[in-house]
Parts: sequence; structure tokens; C-alpha cells
Amino acid sequence: EVQLVESGGGLVQPGGSLRLSCVASGFNFGSTWMIWVRQAPGKGLEWVADIDTDGRQKFYVDSVKGRFTMSRDNAKNSLYLQMNSLRAEDTAVYYCATDLRWLQIDYWGQGAPVTVSS
Amino acid sequence: QSALTQPASVSGSPGQSITISCTGTSSDVGGYDYVSWYQQHPGKVPKLMIYDVNTRPSGVSDRFSGSKSGNTASLTISGLQAEDEADYYCSSYRNGHTLVFGGGTKLTVL
Repeated sequence: EVQLVESGGGLVQPGGSLRLSCVASGFNFGSTWMIWVRQAPGKGLEWVADIDTDGRQKFYVDSVKGRFTMSRDNAKNSLYLQMNSLRAEDTAVYYCATDLRWLQIDYWGQGAPVTVSS
Repeated sequence: QSALTQPASVSGSPGQSITISCTGTSSDVGGYDYVSWYQQHPGKVPKLMIYDVNTRPSGVSDRFSGSKSGNTASLTISGLQAEDEADYYCSSYRNGHTLVFGGGTKLTVL
């Protein structure tokens, strides 16, 4: 059974930082592109970033470029999202997800809520 | 404003069929057969219902089907059931390695 378990969410002040983690199990993590998607309260889904199997290629939505960094540790079956210079508009539930192919998501984590507020 | 355009809401009675449209451009929906549809019940995690325009993952009811014509993709649900009431999102690969979503459609089963 595929499992994706996120952690690291919480309340942070504007300008602050958070690091989200996602531990994967039940599939070949090292052979799977991974994706972060977020959903602001009462809003739709938004792609944030994705990463290739060995962590060399990373892609980001324009609104987080230069502030967020996605990484992975295949030895630990873990995915990360380092979020710096956080803004109120970054408030959302952040989902870790697997890329079936061509950015089509087949499995989602339960989500990590992030609130940016003073 | 979302990258892909979906109707905000659709409704239907049990047993009926409904179709949700998803309109993009030649840079996304029209240019690639990598359109997916997701179902999200309130407070729950999204679930993949259709990928590659018209392929159902294992375990998804055959009442759900997908299609595409030009820059518009569609999700059809036949034999509507109460448990189909949810939000539905389309997505597409876009030029330059970007994933774009529709704004979501709230399906109400009357």
C-alpha cells in the first residue's frame, strides 16, 4: 500500500521559514518523480514544485521561485520542501504526491497545513 | 484566475449523466494527452479518477469517463449517485514543464 506521510507544517510569521517532510512507503520511491501541490483554504489546487528521481531536475511555480527549495533523500525515502520568506498567500495545505507520468498525480499524502500569519 | 477553465458548479439527479468541461489552450490541454481529473470530497484528499485524457485507474467506477476535443477536455459521470457529490478538478501538463489545474467544479446530486 502506498503511503505518503507529511510533517513539519504549522504557524509561522511572515518572512519566516518552514521545512516540510514527506516519508514515502509502499512503492519504489527512488524511481518516482515527486510533486508538491498546495490548496489554500476554500480554494483550488495549485502545483508548487516537482523533482526528478535523483534530485537533479527541479521545477517550481513562478510564485515560489527563489523562496522554496525541493529536495529528496532516496536512502531515506523522503521528500522535502524548504520554504523561506513565507508570505500570507503561502497559507495552504501542502500535499506530497507521486507523479504517475507527465505531472499526473496518482497518490496523495494527507496534507500538511501551513499558516503564515502574525 | 485559474489556468484551466471549469464551470463553478454542475448538478444532476440520481441516475442521470453530467459532463464537466475543462478549457485550456494549445499549450496545455490541446497540445498534450496528459489531462487528469481528480475528485475531492470535503475535508478529504484528492483522488485520481482519470488520467491520459480517458484512462481510469484500477478501482475507479466505469461510470466515470474522459474525453478531449481541441483545447477542451471533459469528464462525464453516468448513472449519478449520491456519493459522487464532490469537487472535481482537471489538470494538464503545459509547455515548459508546468502543471496547471482548473478552478474546480462543485457537483451537487439533487
